[in-house]
Amino acid sequence: SAVISQKPSRDICQRGTSLTIQCQVDSQVTMMFWYRQQPGQSLTLIATANQGSEATYESGFVIDKFPISRPNLTFSTLTVSNMSPEDSSIYLCSATAGGSNGYTFGSGTRLTVV
Amino acid sequence: EDKVVQSPLSLVVHEGDTVTLNCSYEVTNFRSLLWYKQEKKAPTFLFMLTSSGIEKKSGRLSSILDKKELFSILNITATQTGDSAVYLCAVFTSYGKLTFGQGTILTVHP
Repeated sequence: SAVISQKPSRDICQRGTSLTIQCQVDSQVTMMFWYRQQPGQSLTLIATANQGSEATYESGFVIDKFPISRPNLTFSTLTVSNMSPEDSSIYLCSATAGGSNGYTFGSGTRLTVV
Repeated sequence: EDKVVQSPLSLVVHEGDTVTLNCSYEVTNFRSLLWYKQEKKAPTFLFMLTSSGIEKKSGRLSSILDKKELFSILNITATQTGDSAVYLCAVFTSYGKLTFGQGTILTVHP
């Protein structure tokens, strides 16, 4: 199954600033996704990152707040814009190449906004 | 709205015990059910189930899916302290969406 490198691993940011998280997959994958996991909660899908076109956002998430890029089949970025303390979460990217290997996750980014 | 519900939400056992974690779902256009183990940040893939009644095994872990009753179980036998983690169930639909349950927090005491 695919291996995903995600960075940064963690960051502490000032409110009002933006952070870009990167995910690099070691092989071409069909689908890439971005999730948020707030403290004590399960994973919530933010959006599906589409290669060469705008991401598909889930209800409650908008492009202005979480712009996503996916310039090719192995790389994607998520930006958390104009951050507030409520954005403090773990952010995870995920990818699948289909088949029986399920979805692989990146190592996660622990974001703290102060 | 797709829904995945796990039970129990938390479980405390001693080493050597056997545990059963439950996952029920109500989704549109079910394709597969996945189990993950989450220890720190990144969930680690355990099983992907698409067919009813076929048990998947990996060491002390096993899982089975019942598509008629819309649930799955994850069994862990002879538990060890290293099994302590959050176990997540997720359902993948044909719309390409993965919906997660709340997770079960398993704590294994020596």
